[in-house]
Amino acid sequence: SQQGEEDPQALSIQEGENATMNCSYKTSINNLQWYRQNSGRGLVHLILIRSNEREKHSGRLRVTLDTSKKSSSLLITASRAADTASYFCARLYGGSQGNLIFGKGTKLSVKP
Amino acid sequence: GAVVSQHPSRVICKSGTSVKIECRSLDFQATTMFWYRQFPKQSLMLMATSNEGSKATYEQGVEKDKFLINHASLTLSTLTVTSAHPEDSSFYICSATPGTSGGAPDTQYFGPGTRLTVL
Repeated sequence: SQQGEEDPQALSIQEGENATMNCSYKTSINNLQWYRQNSGRGLVHLILIRSNEREKHSGRLRVTLDTSKKSSSLLITASRAADTASYFCARLYGGSQGNLIFGKGTKLSVKP
Repeated sequence: GAVVSQHPSRVICKSGTSVKIECRSLDFQATTMFWYRQFPKQSLMLMATSNEGSKATYEQGVEKDKFLINHASLTLSTLTVTSAHPEDSSFYICSATPGTSGGAPDTQYFGPGTRLTVL
């Protein structure tokens, strides 16, 4: 399968705690992207990290990338109930066409 | 940020009918649009890649005669599910990219999705 793998598949935490989601992939990448999807809705692009970057921040989000291990992690600090959603990593496939291959996703539930 | 819209957001149809879903990039020109399908509690699976003015490229296992894609302009792509059957019920999501920036497209902007239910 071309899909990446996210773990955990589901994560339940209390508001205020940090949430860490991991993503592994099998082939080389130019960049890796993280998306969020609220239930039954479209995807929202969160952050893109390029293969020559190791860490990137955006607000309460922190993404790391380890190309030697072919893995990435998304950390959400000080989580809120509104962060409840599914989170997917995605990588480009197919060269310049820009096809995205999505991981299976992590379903995050933040309890108030 | 760039906005992509989809219409309709929900559609219920009878088996055997055809359904058209529109995907529009509202504030940018999209050289490439993508169509994904998502079954409940699963990830997105790419169905096809649509380039303006040319035929769509379908992923393996996706029937091009069943899922007709037209990318008539730089801001509009349509997906028509022909002779829909209950197994076609799914969440269909489009995305659009503004194009390359010295290499492969960086970011895809996703529409809000269309929930198709075939009775």
